[in-house]
Amino acid sequence: ETGVTQTPRHLVMGMTNKKSLKCEQHLGHNAMYWYKQSAKKPLELMFVYNFKEQTENNSVPSRFSPECPNSSHLFLHLHTLQPEDSALYLCASSQGLRRDTEAFFGQGTRLTVV
Amino acid sequence: GQQLNQSPQSMFIQEGEDVSMNCTSSSIFNTWLWYKQDPGEGPVLLIALYKAGELTSNGRLTAQFGITRKDSFLNISASIPSDVGIYFCAGFETSGSRLTFGEGTQLTVNP
Repeated sequence: ETGVTQTPRHLVMGMTNKKSLKCEQHLGHNAMYWYKQSAKKPLELMFVYNFKEQTENNSVPSRFSPECPNSSHLFLHLHTLQPEDSALYLCASSQGLRRDTEAFFGQGTRLTVV
Repeated sequence: GQQLNQSPQSMFIQEGEDVSMNCTSSSIFNTWLWYKQDPGEGPVLLIALYKAGELTSNGRLTAQFGITRKDSFLNISASIPSDVGIYFCAGFETSGSRLTFGEGTQLTVNP
């Protein structure tokens, strides 16, 4: 139990579908993150939220749309994705954005775009 | 953005052997974190380091925050098959607020 829960664990979607990934943290943290992990690439930061406010968008295409209704929940809305968007999408949370903080990850959603 | 150079990229060892991996950067870091990722799972935090020169252990794992604040090392002693996975270093730069990750070290342990 990591304290950060992601659903679904696996998702297969067509390029014209709309789907959402969900992340929930039970750690009382204020910051939440979306990362993309593709094969043989470093973890890529996508979005950062702190106290529900988006503080960073790392040049992510608009077909990925994040939503953070409160400090405990984070969504990633997906629409008209491309096959190259297939990857493991990881959510993480931390106490804040301080430089001495630690980030804890969920188990990830394995996304396949067909 | 800042990249961390993690090496080696992969290691194949026999059970019982010790393992060392490291991470370097061109800028100074305030925090170094080491994670392990099992296949199909998210990274799990192993060790966190906050001070230059700090040496911290977690069971058979030992990590050090380099004295120059530009590197960190992770050692695993007496490896066992369940040590298999990808090990990532990560850190916060002094001048930044983003957690940067290394490319990972894929560890394979042969029984």
